[in-house]
Amino acid sequence: DGGITQSPKYLFRKEGQNVTLSCEQNLNHDAMYWYRQDPGQGLRLIYYSQIVNDFQKGDIAEGYSVSREKKESFPLTVTSAQKNPTAFYLCASRRGGQGSETQYFGPGTRLLVL
Amino acid sequence: QKEVEQNSGPLSVPEGAIASLNCTYSDRVSQSFFWYRQYSGKSPELIMSIYSNGDKEDGRFTAQLNKASQYVSLLIRDSQPSDSATYLCAVKTGAAGNKLTFGGGTRVLVKP
Repeated sequence: DGGITQSPKYLFRKEGQNVTLSCEQNLNHDAMYWYRQDPGQGLRLIYYSQIVNDFQKGDIAEGYSVSREKKESFPLTVTSAQKNPTAFYLCASRRGGQGSETQYFGPGTRLLVL
Repeated sequence: QKEVEQNSGPLSVPEGAIASLNCTYSDRVSQSFFWYRQYSGKSPELIMSIYSNGDKEDGRFTAQLNKASQYVSLLIRDSQPSDSATYLCAVKTGAAGNKLTFGGGTRVLVKP
């Protein structure tokens, strides 16, 4: 099956702890994105990557970090500097190239603070 | 001012009626527009994309784009209870990175 997988489905973070959210895709897509969604809100862009070993900050990057060592993988680390991390985190990917602007989403990870 | 605005709703429509959702955007150079449907607790799924002025139909869904007035709308004909969801409008902003800016979403309730 082709698609985007995110794990875990639920994640609990203790105060002062860094946690990493996984995003993997087997669609051979070039670009990957991380969004945050708060209850009743739209999506806000955290980080994005258009090619391997390169990524850019989105609108709300503070307190987050990413890496893109492989085309298939784009993990997101929520650091202890992110003071309000409780949210629904969504990973998306896009094929890349001209005319391929649609982003497709994984199932999401819900992060809760203990 | 928000870059992409939607009425949060809820928009309540009787089963079989037409649901009309609107979205306005502030970036005049935006060229690509998307409608996503999001069920409660789930991730967004693409319904329609539209790039040119006018209407684009796909089954019971019609997207309408008016770049001069900077709005894009979504019509859902013959609304079904399964259409009850939040509908997110997304606009491609900026030349680099193919970044999407999302509106806050409109919650639609279809009543049997």
